[in-house]
Amino acid sequence: EVQLVESGGGLIQPGGSLRLSCAASGFTVSSNYMSWVRQAPGKGLEWVSLLYSGGSTYYADSVKGRFTISRDNSKNTLYLQMNSLRAEDTAVYYCARAGYSYGYDFEYWGQGTLVTVSS
Amino acid sequence: QSALTQPASVSGSPGQSITISCTGTSSDVGGYNYVSWYQQHPGKAPKLMIYEVSNRPSGVSNRFSGSKSGNTASLTISGLQAEDEADYYCSSKRSSATHVVFGGGTKLTVL
Repeated sequence: EVQLVESGGGLIQPGGSLRLSCAASGFTVSSNYMSWVRQAPGKGLEWVSLLYSGGSTYYADSVKGRFTISRDNSKNTLYLQMNSLRAEDTAVYYCARAGYSYGYDFEYWGQGTLVTVSS
Repeated sequence: QSALTQPASVSGSPGQSITISCTGTSSDVGGYNYVSWYQQHPGKAPKLMIYEVSNRPSGVSNRFSGSKSGNTASLTISGLQAEDEADYYCSSKRSSATHVVFGGGTKLTVL
């Protein structure tokens, strides 16, 4: 059974850093297209970042230069390093595994972890 | 980079059919057959309902169907049921560094 479990969220001050983790089971992270998608409170979904199985990475303009997606193959875990955090980064962050379309759809989702950026 | 355009809300009675539209541009919805639809119940993670415009993942009811014409994609739910009440989001590949763009979401109310 495919499972994704996020952790690492919390309250952080503006300008601070946080690293989110997404522990996967039931499949191999390094063989799949993995993304982070976020949802601000009461708002819609926003794609944040993608890591291809081959190692290529992509970012939304809103986080480019501040966020870094990576994986640890030995731990079968996906990460999102978030630096220079802003109030507008406040959201539930989901990790998601692509299903059918080269990373353009998200078949499996974690339960999400809440990041709150506030002083 | 604006999101895809969806109606804020739609409603229907049990047993009826409803359609949710998702309008983009030739750089996203109109340019690729990589439109997906997601259902999200309050406090839950989204669930993939449709991928590549009109394909249903295993386990998704055939009451859900997708289509596309030009720059507008549509999700149709037939035989509405109470459990269909949720938020629905479309997404599409976009021809820019923005890999995927989502719609603003549509709240479906089953009357």
